[in-house]
Amino acid sequence: AQSVAQPEDQVNVAEGNPLTVKCTYSVSGNPYLFWYVQYPNRGLQFLLKYITGDNLVKGSYGFEAEFNKSQTSFHLKKPSALVSDSALYFCAVRDDNQGGKLIFGQGTELSVKP
Amino acid sequence: DAEITQSPRHKITETGRQVTLACHQTWNHNNMFWYRQDLGHGLRLIHYSYGVQDTNKGEVSDGYSVSRSNTEDLPLTLESAASSQTSVYFCASSELAGISADTQYFGPGTRLTVL
Repeated sequence: AQSVAQPEDQVNVAEGNPLTVKCTYSVSGNPYLFWYVQYPNRGLQFLLKYITGDNLVKGSYGFEAEFNKSQTSFHLKKPSALVSDSALYFCAVRDDNQGGKLIFGQGTELSVKP
Repeated sequence: DAEITQSPRHKITETGRQVTLACHQTWNHNNMFWYRQDLGHGLRLIHYSYGVQDTNKGEVSDGYSVSRSNTEDLPLTLESAASSQTSVYFCASSELAGISADTQYFGPGTRLTVL
């Protein structure tokens, strides 16, 4: 069965510093991986996805994610964090058994302090 | 612009009552999903649909039902509301195929409280 894990419930970063939000996955077959962001009292917003090709995927708001097959990881990164990046971040994987379904991680709360 | 809307945004109801949460999308997407979000559980899939007249159970479907009579709408019904169903509910939609397939677009959520 497909699954993703986000090992950190919370990540704290100072504004201007680089940030990393971790995600590892377990899939049978080729992984389709996603990152979503949720701001307070809002629905989830799509950030980026990896299907195939370049291991470094660029997305919205300056975020990028690095696909690493040997480590089965898909970490979200940003070179310089902003206070406005503070939000809940979800990693997700497509459930190959059911086209269109996504399986979400538990979420990581990112807090960026001035 | 295409969008996905949910109504009501907030709902308070009593145990045992039937409640229906609306979801409407103008993306013309075939796929539609209902999730609940609870602290410590992330997002859990309740029901989903791949097209008109198609509905499927997700991992937490007990006590919920959906129907899909057109492309735009997937209402979620709580047959007899229970306190355990107090949660925030999100609707999402995605394309069936193509380069944007699997990218889900989410509504703003409905906060449901069952007293």
